[in-house]
Amino acid sequence: SAVISQKPSRDICQRGTSLTIQCQVDSQVTMMFWYRQQPGQSLTLIATANQGSEATYESGFVIDKFPISRPNLTFSTLTVSNMSPEDSSIYLCSVEAASGRTGELFFGEGSRLTVL
Amino acid sequence: GQQLNQSPQSMFIQEGEDVSMNCTSSSIFNTWLWYKQDPGEGPVLLIALYKAGELTSNGRLTAQFGITRKDSFLNISASIPSDVGIYFCAGRRINTNAGKSTFGDGTTLTVKP
Repeated sequence: SAVISQKPSRDICQRGTSLTIQCQVDSQVTMMFWYRQQPGQSLTLIATANQGSEATYESGFVIDKFPISRPNLTFSTLTVSNMSPEDSSIYLCSVEAASGRTGELFFGEGSRLTVL
Repeated sequence: GQQLNQSPQSMFIQEGEDVSMNCTSSSIFNTWLWYKQDPGEGPVLLIALYKAGELTSNGRLTAQFGITRKDSFLNISASIPSDVGIYFCAGRRINTNAGKSTFGDGTTLTVKP
């Protein structure tokens, strides 16, 4: 299993500001995934963060709005830029289980953002 | 895109009752996974299924990978208050990374003591 720590766990932000969420994994992983979970909704993949290359964004998500860093194999950040109330969500960091149990995801505890 | 239809959307049951929820899709998946999310936490994997027809148990939980590869169910027997939470199914297609799994909309379970 992987232990994933996210910071902050929650925050209240003002419209127009930006917030960076950090994700730390206790083991080296090739890919890290960032999800958004809007209130009462399911999980939507924002992007896949690969070490040493630009993140790959899913349809509907762009780098200018959600810049991602991946400086090493255990750490990633997601920034939510120029926030509006519609960005109020839980943002989750995730990694895949080690080889042999492919497809299984481990999640951080999430970062709950409220934008006023 | 691919969609998973998860039902029921919510359940209110009495402690001790059995629970059943399922996911269906118009597409074939090669892996079915069931997660549980407690309030204020990220989802935690309950059961992973890799072969059509596979039936797997984890304590009081039992899940099956449908023969057609287009559906899966999760049963919880003798529910207890700590079973409360949101249960998500997820399907993954072959040759896609795990992050691209498709998630159902979740089943919110409430257990009355």
